[in-house]
Amino acid sequence: EIVMTQSPATLSVSPGERATLSCRASQSVSSNLAWFQQKPGQAPRLLIYDASTRATGIPARFSGSGSGTEFTLTLSSLQSEDFAIYYCQQYNNWLYTFGQGTKLEI
Amino acid sequence: EVQLVESGGGLVKPGGSLRLSCAASGLSLSNAWMSWVRQAPGKGLEWVGRISTKTDGGTTYYAAPIKGRFVISRDDSKNTVYLQMNSLENEDTAMYYCIRDLNYWGQGTLVTVSS
Repeated sequence: EIVMTQSPATLSVSPGERATLSCRASQSVSSNLAWFQQKPGQAPRLLIYDASTRATGIPARFSGSGSGTEFTLTLSSLQSEDFAIYYCQQYNNWLYTFGQGTKLEI
Repeated sequence: EVQLVESGGGLVKPGGSLRLSCAASGLSLSNAWMSWVRQAPGKGLEWVGRISTKTDGGTTYYAAPIKGRFVISRDDSKNTVYLQMNSLENEDTAMYYCIRDLNYWGQGTLVTVSS
């Protein structure tokens, strides 16, 4: 099983600032990595797939980068609606796995 | 409108069984690999398993804590995917989501395992 480790667990930032979230895989997942956003009481929403491709309707302030074992989700100029929990997920092999999440808070 | 709607959740005793359904509207499931993901209260996301298309053999894959207890199946004629859960444990208490590709998620159905 590929273990996904996200850091930090919690990130405190202010609106208008930039946030950088990290995700590390225990072995290479190539570019088969997605990022999801989840708000309280809601299902997760796909933000990024294939490590760097924004999903339909996702604002340009969300960007993803990386390949292999190291990945980053960057949120530039945070908006109030961006405060949520973010998960990475690898889909490189038949057994998908999620990171434990990063909570982005004010 | 594209929708995935899960149903079948509820309260069940340890050792019991439950079958969840995921019905799609506005999109076809027949050409998609479908997954189930769960989230225990206050916890993160956990991938449960997935099923390939009939064309790809209808093969199923399961996470280690699940294997042998849960079975994923599909009925493309009903545009529905199922999760049969047997030998349920307290630790299976969670919101269960079905997913098409990575992009389409249902609203979830809550399963509570408790005596």
